[in-house]
Amino acid sequence: GDSVTQMEGPVTLSEEAFLTINCTYTATGYPSLFWYVQYPGEGLQLLLKATKADDKGSNKGFEATYRKETTSFHLEKGSVQVSDSAVYFCALSWGYQKVTFGTGTKLQVIP
Amino acid sequence: DTGVSQNPRHKITKRGQNVTFRCDPISEHNRLYWYRQTLGQGPEFLTYFQNEAQLEKSRLLSDRFSAERPKGSFSTLEIQRTEQGDSAMYLCASSPEAIYIETQYFGPGTRLLVL
Repeated sequence: GDSVTQMEGPVTLSEEAFLTINCTYTATGYPSLFWYVQYPGEGLQLLLKATKADDKGSNKGFEATYRKETTSFHLEKGSVQVSDSAVYFCALSWGYQKVTFGTGTKLQVIP
Repeated sequence: DTGVSQNPRHKITKRGQNVTFRCDPISEHNRLYWYRQTLGQGPEFLTYFQNEAQLEKSRLLSDRFSAERPKGSFSTLEIQRTEQGDSAMYLCASSPEAIYIETQYFGPGTRLLVL
């Protein structure tokens, strides 16, 4: 079945550092790919998405590119802020069907 | 648009008791999903409704679990004879019917602790 693998955390960075969180997926075909974010005490929020190969999703300075050759969707941000501290989930879905999530990567940004 | 709401936000119960959670989706969202998230893990799919029809159920949804969406609006998730292993965050999400809309909007969750 489908699965998503993302790097284990926690990831601790200093403010303004470069962020990469790796994500790879296993699926037959080309699902839509997502990054969701969960801030402390809040619900899951969609951060960005890409629906086909070579698409780049972007939001709030975060970017991820759908790479079918490497079945990857790595999350990047050029300069993180303390307010980016959260748990980030990589995920995939087929249309309106269920979302399959990775285990999450906790990011802590220190001033 | 007030977002997806879930009640209660927290529930503590004793093993063997029944619990019921409610989810109110975003208005006019035809699709409604339930997920379970345990500590340190990503959410896992439980079940999915389109309007009042329950179209898919995960193997995670044992016979002790039942979900309903009687009028195609709010949904309830009931757990009978709770076990300690049921302790988790239960998440509800909704999405509109348009086939090109894939984004699911999540509620804040109901955290269940079974003692």
